[in-house]
Amino acid sequence: NAGVTQTPKFRILKIGQSMTLQCTQDMNHNYMYWYRQDPGMGLKLIYYSVGAGITDKGEVPNGYNVSRSTTEDFPLRLELAAPSQTSVYFCASTERLAGFTDTQYFGPGTRLTVL
Amino acid sequence: EDKVVQSPLSLVVHEGDTVTLNCSYEVTNFRSLLWYKQEKKAPTFLFMLTSSGIEKKSGRLSSILDKKELFSILNITATQTGDSAIYLCAVVIQGAQKLVFGQGTRLTINP
Repeated sequence: NAGVTQTPKFRILKIGQSMTLQCTQDMNHNYMYWYRQDPGMGLKLIYYSVGAGITDKGEVPNGYNVSRSTTEDFPLRLELAAPSQTSVYFCASTERLAGFTDTQYFGPGTRLTVL
Repeated sequence: EDKVVQSPLSLVVHEGDTVTLNCSYEVTNFRSLLWYKQEKKAPTFLFMLTSSGIEKKSGRLSSILDKKELFSILNITATQTGDSAIYLCAVVIQGAQKLVFGQGTRLTINP
């Protein structure tokens, strides 16, 4: 299993450009998440999904959009990039069963700089 | 508003020292608390705690949860330079299907 994969690893955008951060997991997990991590800070939840076709906002959703058409993929879209979106973006997934299986598996991250 | 606070934010010690990292929380509906270690890349899972007073151990690392006082500690004994990392605490909210992370503690172990 590859686990959670993210592309690209690095990207530089100009203000106003748009891009999609890709996230794929091959563990058949229902739950997927997008976080951003600013320098010296913890992770903040942008959007999450509890299954294909279902998404919901997290703590900092403004400026982002997501979709979940399949169990495996959870892309994050930036429509009009702003310098405030300079951050490292992590995708994560987890499988919730009846027991406490809350462990989240993280992708390697995408470092995004908006100039 | 659900909140997770870690302290200290930064800690520098010498190799061989013992450290204690703190995580306190105020959340609407607690399900579990997770500790992660983050080196250069993605966070890696350390512990999941759901019950008060039961210590989880993995080598030199251990952690315990106090659900009455709403905090958890992560202990690292006989620290090594490889323990240098950011340690993240997160609380899983029951029913909300999501985690709330603390700011992290940046631990530096000097030789």
